[in-house]
Amino acid sequence: GNSVTQMEGPVTLSEEAFLTINCTYTATGYPSLFWYVQYPGEGLQLLLKATKADDKGSNKGFEATYRKETTSFHLEKGSVQVSDSAVYFCALRMDSNYQLIWGAGTKLIIKP
Amino acid sequence: NAGVTQTPKFRVLKTGQSMTLLCAQDMNHEYMYWYRQDPGMGLRLIHYSVGEGTTAKGEVPDGYNVSRLKKQNFLLGLESAAPSQTSVYFCASRRQRNTEAFFGQGTRLTVV
Repeated sequence: GNSVTQMEGPVTLSEEAFLTINCTYTATGYPSLFWYVQYPGEGLQLLLKATKADDKGSNKGFEATYRKETTSFHLEKGSVQVSDSAVYFCALRMDSNYQLIWGAGTKLIIKP
Repeated sequence: NAGVTQTPKFRVLKTGQSMTLLCAQDMNHEYMYWYRQDPGMGLRLIHYSVGEGTTAKGEVPDGYNVSRLKKQNFLLGLESAAPSQTSVYFCASRRQRNTEAFFGQGTRLTVV
């Protein structure tokens, strides 16, 4: 079946460090891919998305590129801030039923 | 600009007790969802609704019931709570099945 695998957390970085959170997926077709972020005490918010191979989603300095050949959608940011501390979820959506399949989430901790 | 509101935010139940979680959205969305989030796992879909008066089972529906009597509200019921239902519950809504999902802040439920 379809599934999403994320790197385990927590990931702890210093402010201004480079961030990569790995996400790989298994899908029978061509899914759309998403990153959601959950800040402390809040619900999940859409961070960025990509709907086809080689698309790059970007928002708030974060980027992720849809890599069909490696079935990956890694999240990157060049210089993280304390305010980026949150839990990040990778998800896929198949156009056959539009249901979201979620990764387990990666907690990111940024220290000043 | 309320978006998706969940009530309550926290609850402790004894085994065998019943309760209802309320999800309310003010965006006139057709689709509404209930998920549960457990440590080390992605969000799992419990039940969903594609419009007023409709409900459908998701991935993990056992032990839960839902109702969508009004378009803006989606209720999740636990008739006889079990410790295995200790989790964080998220409600989400979206206008159409291929549009962005908006999430509530979550309800942390503990069953003792």
